[in-house]
Amino acid sequence: GQNIDQPTEMTATEGAIVQINCTYQTSGFNGLFWYQQHAGEAPTFLSYNVLDGLEEKGRFSSFLSRSKGYSYLLLKELQMKDSASYLCAVRDGNTDKLIFGTGTRLQVFP
Amino acid sequence: GAVVSQHPSRVICKSGTSVKIECRSLDFQATTMFWYRQFPKQSLMLMATSNEGSKATYEQGVEKDKFLINHASLTLSTLTVTSAHPEDSSFYICSASPPPKNIQYFGAGTRLSVL
Repeated sequence: GQNIDQPTEMTATEGAIVQINCTYQTSGFNGLFWYQQHAGEAPTFLSYNVLDGLEEKGRFSSFLSRSKGYSYLLLKELQMKDSASYLCAVRDGNTDKLIFGTGTRLQVFP
Repeated sequence: GAVVSQHPSRVICKSGTSVKIECRSLDFQATTMFWYRQFPKQSLMLMATSNEGSKATYEQGVEKDKFLINHASLTLSTLTVTSAHPEDSSFYICSASPPPKNIQYFGAGTRLSVL
């Protein structure tokens, strides 16, 4: 079966660092994606991992361990505008479909 | 800039009417597009895969006669919600993947409200 788990909600302080974890169990794997979604808007692409390791992109980094079925999104130097939902998604290697987790709602406080 | 365009952004309609939503890939050809639905405070649920020149593939539980998908060209897919009812009110989002990385980019979404 397909299962993607991530925390429902997280809070953090402006300027801090936050790590959002995602674990997955899927029948096939062809990449893991992180998207940001502000309330009432469509998701925007943040990062993509297909091989193990860390991908860094400015203030955002994403890590993948395929053997552990685990990924995290690291947000540094948090800003108020980072308050949003962060969606972890796995691409099924057999169908190429994206399977989404429930999303982690992050609130950044001053 | 945007790679996927979706229109309209918001629709309010009466119960029983049909609503058409367009999804366009910008500057690339998309043989496959995806349609999602998202209810408040929930994640995206894949409804169907739109295939250019052939029938769409629907996910389990999605009524194909209710949600008509037409992918008539390499840059345009349409979703028609037929005989809409209040329970169809939701946020509908399409996506497509420009080469070469096959990263799915999303349209801006369509918020449908059925009265």
